Amino acid sequence: GENVEQHPSTLSVQEGDSAVIKCTYSDSASNYFPWYKQELGKRPQLIIDIRSNVGEKKDQRIAVTLNKTAKHFSLHITETQPEDSAVYFCAASRSGGFKTIFGAGTRLFVKA
Amino acid sequence: DVKVTQSSRYLVKRTGEKVFLECVQDMDHENMFWYRQDPGLGLRLIYFSYDVKMKEKGDIPEGYSVSREKKERFSLILESASTNQTSMYLCASSSGTRGTNEQFFGPGTRLTVL
Repeated sequence: GENVEQHPSTLSVQEGDSAVIKCTYSDSASNYFPWYKQELGKRPQLIIDIRSNVGEKKDQRIAVTLNKTAKHFSLHITETQPEDSAVYFCAASRSGGFKTIFGAGTRLFVKA
Repeated sequence: DVKVTQSSRYLVKRTGEKVFLECVQDMDHENMFWYRQDPGLGLRLIYFSYDVKMKEKGDIPEGYSVSREKKERFSLILESASTNQTSMYLCASSSGTRGTNEQFFGPGTRLTVL
């Protein structure tokens, strides 16, 4: 079946450094790739998404890149801050279907 | 602002009990979802619904059923709770028919089955 692999499972960075989380998807028909952030004890919330007709999208300190050929997409966080500490989930879905397949999550620690 | 609420934040039940988890959204969303969240496994889809009275199995439907009698409400039912159903349960909703829109999550219900 379809799956999304996410790496690393845990990431620890120093405040101010960059963090990169990578995902690979299996369903070549996937065309929507959201990223959700879940702070401790809170619900997941969308932080950025990308559709298959673009290769990169930025929003302030976060950016996503998509390589459709390799079926890879990545989240980049620059100038990390302690409030970036959370679990991040990548996901993939496609038009005409309703299932969103989530990665296993990456726990990001930003050390002050 | 989208609001998705769940009936309980914490629930403790005994093995064999019938358990109802309720989810309500106030944004007139067509689609609603039930996930369970376990450490290292991410969010796994149990069931989803794209319209009233419509339901579709997700990846792990065994031991669960759902009900959607009204557009705003989606219920998850554990017919006979077992200890391996101890987990965090998250409800979500989204708009549209393309299946490629943001999902809005509820706060979650942490269920413990003893």
